[in-house]
Amino acid sequence: GAGVSQSPRYKVAKRGQDVALRCDPISGHVSLFWYQQALGQGPEFLTYFQNEAQLDKSGLPSDRFFAERPEGSVSTLKIQRTQQEDSAVYLCASSSGSGIELFFGSGTQLSVL
Amino acid sequence: AQKVTQAQTEISVVEKEDVTLDCVYETRDTTYYLFWYKQPPSGELVFLIRRNSFDEQNEISGRYSWNFQKSTSSFNFTITASQVVDSAVYFCALSGVNDYKLSFGAGTTVTVRA
Repeated sequence: GAGVSQSPRYKVAKRGQDVALRCDPISGHVSLFWYQQALGQGPEFLTYFQNEAQLDKSGLPSDRFFAERPEGSVSTLKIQRTQQEDSAVYLCASSSGSGIELFFGSGTQLSVL
Repeated sequence: AQKVTQAQTEISVVEKEDVTLDCVYETRDTTYYLFWYKQPPSGELVFLIRRNSFDEQNEISGRYSWNFQKSTSSFNFTITASQVVDSAVYFCALSGVNDYKLSFGAGTTVTVRA
């Protein structure tokens, strides 16, 4: 596609439910990032992939958060046993390399009730 | 540790006014990149500019201009003759040259009234 695509656009989950957020990066982009954006705040880094390798997951808030990119293209961010503090917009971004312009998707807005 | 501060939370202007967004950063890196991104209501972050810390020359792109002052650790952004379509949240960000993580400020919401 022309840009980074994320689905679903909105997700409402009951506390304790598992959710899966999908990211389709720009074709050919080797680098893929996940960021979390709380209301009224700037995005915060969660994790980074280069192709299928997860090179950095230092930003993941807890072991309930898990990300994968098995074939080096589409990525899924999974949150287990969601809690209210997980409510945020989850942004995916891709780039052709490190330090290069990031292209962001429109995000998935997660609301945990 | 890297830190980006955008002291202005919200700015409201009337169309055709100029608006300047402040950005102050902290880093221990000697070389780094500075960025500005625009986030319209649709949600995606749109890249506006990347500036290398070696290059202190100011830059102009259409109605946008950037003032980088290494001595004061500031990278300010000016929109000249603002338009309603400029209404968005603007983020300043920082990364090390060999780093892939962006550290974002909290953002400044710009509202341009017709």
